[in-house]
Amino acid sequence: KQEVTQIPAALSVPEGENLVLNCSFTDSAIYNLQWFRQDPGKGLTSLLLIQSSQREQTSGRLNASLDKSSGRSTLYIAASQPGDSATYLCASYSGYSTLTFGKGTMLLVSP
Amino acid sequence: DTGVSQDPRHKITKRGQNVTFRCDPISEHNRLYWYRQTLGQGPEFLTYFQNEAQLEKSRLLSDRFSAERPKGSFSTLEIQRTEQGDSAMYLCASSFPGSPYEQYFGPGTRLTVT
Repeated sequence: KQEVTQIPAALSVPEGENLVLNCSFTDSAIYNLQWFRQDPGKGLTSLLLIQSSQREQTSGRLNASLDKSSGRSTLYIAASQPGDSATYLCASYSGYSTLTFGKGTMLLVSP
Repeated sequence: DTGVSQDPRHKITKRGQNVTFRCDPISEHNRLYWYRQTLGQGPEFLTYFQNEAQLEKSRLLSDRFSAERPKGSFSTLEIQRTEQGDSAMYLCASSFPGSPYEQYFGPGTRLTVT
């Protein structure tokens, strides 16, 4: 059974810092890995999807990498802004029906 | 807006009552998923449909829960005889059936059972 772990559980940084969020998974036979953002009390917004054949994906200030062999993915946020404050979730997809989620990293970017 | 929509956004009910939630997926998406999220946890899979066929159900989906997608478009999730432990955010997502299986989520329905 796939298990997804996210470290740290919470992170507080001043505006402008670059930061890295970590995600690890136990079963390396994944089809893709998806990073989401969730604002308090809201649904999930898809940020980046990395297919198993890819090593990284970039969107604006966000860069996600995937290392299947080590069971790790990272989300890099450059030049953080207060509007980036949210919970970030990673989820793996193993080619069947479901996403398996981590518990998320709660990010607070202070002005 | 052509994203996934869910109704209602919030529902407060008394223990023992039945509730029903609706999800409208992105129009060209064949797959529809239901997840449940409790405070401080990531979403957990409940069930999914491809067109009108319910193809998988999690063991989290007790016999008090039933989901339908009668015409392969919108879906409903019903909870009978609600319990306080059912209080959670119920999330719906949809996707194309093929690669890369990217799922798009709706805003969720927050259920509070008193």
